[in-house]
Amino acid sequence: EVQLVQSGAEVKKPGESLTVSCKGSGYSFTNYWIGWVRQMPGKGLEWMGIIYPGDSDTRYSPSFQGQVTISADKSIDTAYLQWSSLKASDTAMYYCARQGDYTTDLGYWGQGTLVTVSS
Amino acid sequence: DIQMTQSPSAMSASVGDRVTITCRASQGISNFLAWFQQRPGKVPERLIYASSSLESGVPSRFSGSGSGTEFTLTISSLQPEDFATYYCLQHKSYPHTFGQGTKVEIK
Repeated sequence: EVQLVQSGAEVKKPGESLTVSCKGSGYSFTNYWIGWVRQMPGKGLEWMGIIYPGDSDTRYSPSFQGQVTISADKSIDTAYLQWSSLKASDTAMYYCARQGDYTTDLGYWGQGTLVTVSS
Repeated sequence: DIQMTQSPSAMSASVGDRVTITCRASQGISNFLAWFQQRPGKVPERLIYASSSLESGVPSRFSGSGSGTEFTLTISSLQPEDFATYYCLQHKSYPHTFGQGTKVEIK
């Protein structure tokens, strides 16, 4: 069974750094793209970017390029979403999601990580 | 970037109604389109992939159609558990993009 397990909720102050993790299991981690999706409070889904853990090929939405870093450690089947300096506007739920078995969309989702940034 | 425009953004419907949601792409995306359902406070779930293929375990009252720039998600007979927000996602080219969502509420 494909599973994506994300790290727990975080409360941070503006300017702090943060890494959210997403551990995959039940499949060959290196062979499927993993994406990240933001959902701000009361708002819709936003595609942030995606990584292929096999070779770390990474694509970003222009809206998020330079704002976050997506990475993966294939030795421990884990993808990451990182901020170097959080802003209050980063407050949101963040989901990781894996591509489908035969498609490049998002077929399997993690449970979400709520990030709250407040002074 | 490819823009995805969903309509309507919200709608009220009754149990048993037939519901149709449309997604238009700003350029052709073949059938690289998926539909997701998100119930309040829950993780999004894929309903349809490749424009018209039903995800395993999803009730057959859900169907998808379309190719190129215009796509529809149809719920043939709305059930209480279908009251949720629906999103389309194009994955033809990067960046992949979601529609803005359609909230289906109880009339």
